[in-house]
Formats: sequence, structure tokens, C-alpha cells
Amino acid sequence: SVLLYQKPNRDICQSGTSLKIQCVADSQVVSMFWYQQFQEQSLMLMATANEGSEATYESGFTKDKFPISRPNLTFSTLTVNNARPGDSSIYFCSSRKGQGDSDYTFGSGTRLLVI
Amino acid sequence: GQQVQQSPASLVLQEGENAELQCNFSSTATQLQWFYQSPGGSLVSLLSNPSGTKHTGRLTSTTVTKERRSSLHISSSQTTDSGTYLCAIENYAQGLTFGLGTRVSVFP
Repeated sequence: SVLLYQKPNRDICQSGTSLKIQCVADSQVVSMFWYQQFQEQSLMLMATANEGSEATYESGFTKDKFPISRPNLTFSTLTVNNARPGDSSIYFCSSRKGQGDSDYTFGSGTRLLVI
Repeated sequence: GQQVQQSPASLVLQEGENAELQCNFSSTATQLQWFYQSPGGSLVSLLSNPSGTKHTGRLTSTTVTKERRSSLHISSSQTTDSGTYLCAIENYAQGLTFGLGTRVSVFP
């Protein structure tokens, strides 16, 4: 199965600043996704990262706040712009290899604290 | 939108006991996966089971697609099984919708 490497593992940032989270797959994957998880809550799908084009965002998430890039089939970044304390949560990248493999795998998560 | 409901919300077990976790979902699922989330937050895929019965180690999942429900059976629980078990469904490769999970605590 695919391995996803996510960094940083955790970060603390000041309100109003931006943070970039990277996700690297050890092999090419058809689909990559980003999720947000608040404490004691479940994971919420933020967006689908599309190779070479704009991400597809779910309701409640925008490209201005959470720009996502996916320049190739193994790499994606999520940026948190103008971070606020309410953005403090864990962010996960996920992939679906496709082509007969329908399982989803997840990165180790980035725990963000905005102060 | 899709909804995934898990029960019970929490479960306390004595080591060696068995447990059954339930997952009900509101719409067609092309994929269903059970995940384990450790107290530290990392997520591990346990079983992918969109229909039928699958086993891995001490875990057995049974999904009845037409009734939109799945169960995860843990046999002979161990203290290392403590954590949160998440059920997630996919609708036509559009990412996963997660339930709130069942928090399992296993004591010696």
C-alpha cells in the first residue's frame, strides 16, 4: 500500500500568519485529499487535490483560506492562510491509489496550534 | 449529504473480552473502511470492507450493503487495542465521510 509522508508533525504559529503543510507519497496516486480534525471530533473532508489544476473544495472551505497545490502525482501542499485560533486542529493528507486499489491511506497528521 | 453513525460512542472492556462496534450510513457506499486512531492521533487502516465479511487478526468486519450497516468485531481484546475506531464510507471516489467513532478502553 501507499505510504504518505507529512510534515511538519506539529507547529505553533501566531494569529495572522500562514503555515504550509507538505504531503509526499512514495508512489504515484490518482487522488489526494486533505482533512481537518478538531479535538474530540471526526475527520472532515476539506478538499480534493487535483493534479495540475485547482483543488475541489467542500462546503465551508475556500481556496483563499486553504490554498492547495498538487504539481504532480506524488506531492501536495496545504497552506493555512491568515491563521486563527479556530484553525487549531489536526490536518491529514490522504490518498487513493486508484486503478483497482480503492483503499485510502493517511499521513501521520499535522497538529497545528494557532496562538 | 452522507451521514455515518457509529455506536456505541464509548466502550470499556476488560482484557480478553470481545466487542462489537456498529456503523450505519445513510447513502450508497462504494467503499467502506474501518480505521484505528491512536490516542496520539495517528490513523491506521484496519479493514476495507464494502460488502460481506472480512477478517484480519482478531478483527472481523461484516457489511450488509443493502441495509447500509457494518460491524467490527474485536475478539480477545488487549490493552493495546485502546483508542478510537472510525468507520468511513466513500461515494464514488469522492473522498471519505467519517463517523464520530467509538472510543474503546481496555483495562488489564
